[in-house]
Amino acid sequence: RKEVEQDPGPFNVPEGATVAFNCTYSNSASQSFFWYRQDCRKEPKLLMSVYSSGNEDGRFTAQLNRASQYISLLIRDSKLSDSATYLCVVPELTGAGSYQLTFGKGTKLSVIP
Amino acid sequence: NAGVTQTPKFRILKIGQSMTLQCAQDMNHNYMYWYRQDPGMGLKLIYYSVGAGITDKGEVPNGYNVSRSTTEDFPLRLELAAPSQTSVYFCASSDRSGGDLWAFFGQGTRLTVV
Repeated sequence: RKEVEQDPGPFNVPEGATVAFNCTYSNSASQSFFWYRQDCRKEPKLLMSVYSSGNEDGRFTAQLNRASQYISLLIRDSKLSDSATYLCVVPELTGAGSYQLTFGKGTKLSVIP
Repeated sequence: NAGVTQTPKFRILKIGQSMTLQCAQDMNHNYMYWYRQDPGMGLKLIYYSVGAGITDKGEVPNGYNVSRSTTEDFPLRLELAAPSQTSVYFCASSDRSGGDLWAFFGQGTRLTVV
């Protein structure tokens, strides 16, 4: 069974801080990866996708290290509104040729005033 | 554009009762998924479908059934509800034909079995 592992946290950081989360995956064949954000009692929403070495979107940077099989999410200048759980997601090809999305358990971030 | 719509949003069932969780998407996505999320845990795949008429088991299919008679709808059936099925259920869809593997999620159904 393929695994996606994340540090559960919680990460408690002050506003304006930089915080980074790591995610390790066991399926070396995976080619694309995603970070989702999930607010309390809400559905997960796509935050960023990572198809090659990395991706940057404003204060958010996702990086991929294929050799070590991990992806990271860096959040700069943290805002109170960044408080959420961040889910690492790895699409995996099944034997039938279809894809399943495997989710990590998530890393909880609390940004403190 | 509604995206992925789940009904009901909340439900309380008695042990042994049955119910169907409804999921509909209006984005013409070929892939659809059902996940459950227990408190403090990650999402676990129950069933998925790669197109109308095609369904397959995920990680935790026992106690559930699905059907996919149309591209839009992917209902999840619970037969003989048990307390272990108390969870939040999320339906999701993705457009594999476009090369994207990421998924849109519905707002979830909170189910309690007592």
